Amino acid sequence: GESVGLHLPTLSVQEGDNSIINCAYSNSASDYFIWYKQESGKGPQFIIDIRSNMDKRQGQRVTVLLNKTVKHLSLQIAATQPGDSAVYFCAENEDPDSSYKLIFGSGTRLLVRP
Amino acid sequence: SQTIHQWPATLVQPVGSPLSLECTVEGTSNPNLYWYRQAAGRGLQLLFYSIGIGQISSEVPQNLSASRPQDRQFILSSKKLLLSDSGFYLCAWSAGLTGFNEKLFFGSGTQLSVL
Repeated sequence: GESVGLHLPTLSVQEGDNSIINCAYSNSASDYFIWYKQESGKGPQFIIDIRSNMDKRQGQRVTVLLNKTVKHLSLQIAATQPGDSAVYFCAENEDPDSSYKLIFGSGTRLLVRP
Repeated sequence: SQTIHQWPATLVQPVGSPLSLECTVEGTSNPNLYWYRQAAGRGLQLLFYSIGIGQISSEVPQNLSASRPQDRQFILSSKKLLLSDSGFYLCAWSAGLTGFNEKLFFGSGTQLSVL
């Protein structure tokens, strides 16, 4: 498949370090947020999600933080591994009254240096 | 368990030719179905979504159309492809509106090149 992430902001980290990927959203009415990981030529894979009534949620090696005051979302990956190299997208449900669709950000490419 | 199938994986078509991409979901009933397009180096743009058979919502005006002939089948079509239709097309599903589960599950994508 065609490579994605050709013009995306890139975060380069050393293997074993922690990674922080940031995302800003614009709609204060959004009540659901989600992070996806996309490897080249593949469909996005779900990582973790969070609702607006929470400010932190943890998964396996990943943590999502939500700051509603400044409309900011972040994904933290602990002990980053080479397999974490991919493009990461945040998405939000902009219209809580119509929970059918997610709006995606433009993505951040994560490169893990061995 | 639920699975989503999307085909073909790659497609090269001449300008002006028709298009038909198919997506099927297994292991669930009455899913919401979606078509997204991704240009190189870009995020995902929602094209169509469907909450039921025959119910299609279009998000952006374009040269494409979608149909849902069966509960778990979603088809993306065009009568005449344009160069600008090139991109990576992704089908996705989510649980029906029975609860607060808006998580999308994506297919493996179709890389369409219009020449």
